[in-house]
Amino acid sequence: QQQVKQSPQSLIVQKGGISIINCAYENTAFDYFPWYQQFPGKGPALLIAIRPDVSEKKEGRFTISFNKSAKQFSLHIMDSQPGDSATYFCAASYSGGYQKVTFGTGTKLQVIP
Amino acid sequence: GAVVSQHPSWVICKSGTSVKIECRSLDFQATTMFWYRQFPKKSLMLMATSNEGSKATYEQGVEKDKFLINHASLTLSTLTVTSAHPEDSSFYICSAPDGLGSTDTQYFGPGTRLTVL
Repeated sequence: QQQVKQSPQSLIVQKGGISIINCAYENTAFDYFPWYQQFPGKGPALLIAIRPDVSEKKEGRFTISFNKSAKQFSLHIMDSQPGDSATYFCAASYSGGYQKVTFGTGTKLQVIP
Repeated sequence: GAVVSQHPSWVICKSGTSVKIECRSLDFQATTMFWYRQFPKKSLMLMATSNEGSKATYEQGVEKDKFLINHASLTLSTLTVTSAHPEDSSFYICSAPDGLGSTDTQYFGPGTRLTVL
């Protein structure tokens, strides 16, 4: 019930292409869905987040698409750049502050020139 | 944005010794902090929730006597790995919600790499 499934495990995209990472959750009580970016040897950094009352959120080259009925959400990185090469984690939590975060399994993205 | 720091960034210790890791919120107060553990190429696994002024809440399977957590102030939580063994070697990361929990945003520290010989 608390799991967040993420795919693919790894992804190679050419520079300028679109990177797509998918996640699915089971617990319908989750109502806050952040994405984190992690570089090797560093802590995760919040990239973008969405709530279930919104189907899409865009910030710069990053877009989250959310399908509440399917309990799925995805991250799209447009015009992918080599600097985007990192591990991406989707996550889910309850809203209202002080809530622990359940992470997906992670996707290692490599953007090649 | 809010900043969370950790100290040390890496530590090497001998088996059987104890190691203390500090997590500080630099520009905001945090009554709650979270401690995670991450193995190489794996996801973050929540270990415990650190609460200022009260006992920590541990996740199932985490030994509370081995991983001691103290939330000494509104800006400091410490994780002490007692009697460390090689299997405790991992990347330990803390996080804190921003604005005393008024938002859902959590900020993560840079992590501490623990190697137990």
